[in-house]
Amino acid sequence: GIQVEQSPPDLILQEGANSTLRCNFSDSVNNLQWFHQNPWGQLINLFYIPSGTKQNGRLSATTVATERYSLLYISSSQTTDSGVYFCAVAPFSGGYNKLIFGAGTRLAVHP
Amino acid sequence: NAGVTQTPKFQVLKTGQSMTLQCAQDMNHEYMSWYRQDPGMGLRLIHYSVGAGITDQGEVPNGYNVSRSTTEDFPLRLLSAAPSQTSVYFCASSRQGQTPGANVLTFGAGSRLTVL
Repeated sequence: GIQVEQSPPDLILQEGANSTLRCNFSDSVNNLQWFHQNPWGQLINLFYIPSGTKQNGRLSATTVATERYSLLYISSSQTTDSGVYFCAVAPFSGGYNKLIFGAGTRLAVHP
Repeated sequence: NAGVTQTPKFQVLKTGQSMTLQCAQDMNHEYMSWYRQDPGMGLRLIHYSVGAGITDQGEVPNGYNVSRSTTEDFPLRLLSAAPSQTSVYFCASSRQGQTPGANVLTFGAGSRLTVL
């Protein structure tokens, strides 16, 4: 099946710093989403981005489908950005919704 | 609008017991799915459904059964619980199609299951 690799596995930042999280996937996809899991375990969708670039406030994401990777940018980080960031993809062979998750990037933002 | 509701939030079982995790959504989503999350790991897909009467296996289906008799409900059944099924379980749903907002997963709050 499709492999989803996220890097780095862990990231520690000072408040105000910028960061880039990466997601590599091993096959063509027709769905790619980024999620944030907060320290209480709640999963929130950040972006639906099978290709192209999107921005939402301090967060932005870019997916280069032909090269099989996606990047999540966090600018001017805040302590509330702490948690785990997951990339999830659906391969063309599995339909749009059968999302396979990476292992995540655990982010800690210190004041 | 409640979104995706999971019950119970916490459950402790003994090995060999059976139970059902409930999942309900009020968004008229066609697609529903169950994931499990183990410590330090990502989510793994257990079973999914693209509509009432249609279910299929995900990455880790063994030991779990599902059914989809209505659009709103997608229960997950453990027939004979094992310690390896100790995990946090998440239900998720989405609208299907090509219109804006389709295929974006909405998650429930999770159900923490411990099997002794």
